[in-house]
Amino acid sequence: NAGVTQTPKFQVLKTGQSMTLQCAQDMNHEYMSWYRQDPGMGLRLIHYSVGAGITDQGEVPNGYNVSRSTTEDFPLRLLSAAPSQTSVYFCASSFSGNTEAFFGQGTRLTVV
Amino acid sequence: RKEVEQDPGPFNVPEGATVAFNCTYSNSASQSFFWYRQDCRKEPKLLMSVYSSGNEDGRFTAQLNRASQYISLLIRDSKLSDSATYLCAVFRGGSYIPTFGRGTSLIVHP
Repeated sequence: NAGVTQTPKFQVLKTGQSMTLQCAQDMNHEYMSWYRQDPGMGLRLIHYSVGAGITDQGEVPNGYNVSRSTTEDFPLRLLSAAPSQTSVYFCASSFSGNTEAFFGQGTRLTVV
Repeated sequence: RKEVEQDPGPFNVPEGATVAFNCTYSNSASQSFFWYRQDCRKEPKLLMSVYSSGNEDGRFTAQLNRASQYISLLIRDSKLSDSATYLCAVFRGGSYIPTFGRGTSLIVHP
């Protein structure tokens, strides 16, 4: 059972570069979300989706873009990387609202 | 006031001790509550749900106090392997995605 799969696990970017963090789930979950986790800050919601074709902003959306063309995939795009985006990024999915969230293993991103 | 607050700790306890964490939430319409465990450099994983009537799973007990707007996690007979960060997750009324607390660090020492 793959669950939630994130790629890559590690990435180093130069300031100004763009990239896409991939997230895929095989549990047919409608709800998917992206969080970033920084020391002392906990998990902060970037963007989320309640189904294919539907996305919305979370607490810290600036500098990030998402799309949800299929139920399985929810990629996160960094438009122009900045050192402030150095963080650990987690993708999560859940069957419906108010239910357990399953997390991917995380992507450790460093922007230099 | 932050929507979901936790004491970051660390809570440093000896093996066999009982330890309790609280998580306060500000939105009285919050409906669902969970505790997650996160090991160092790993993803959060569900530890247990928190029901209105309380929930017990082995050495772990979770409770909800709606009047005071907090949830608690009690760990009895602490093990070295319980060392981790414990995150609470709260669904506001009408929200599909949980809000997480910053986490409470637990260190169990011999």
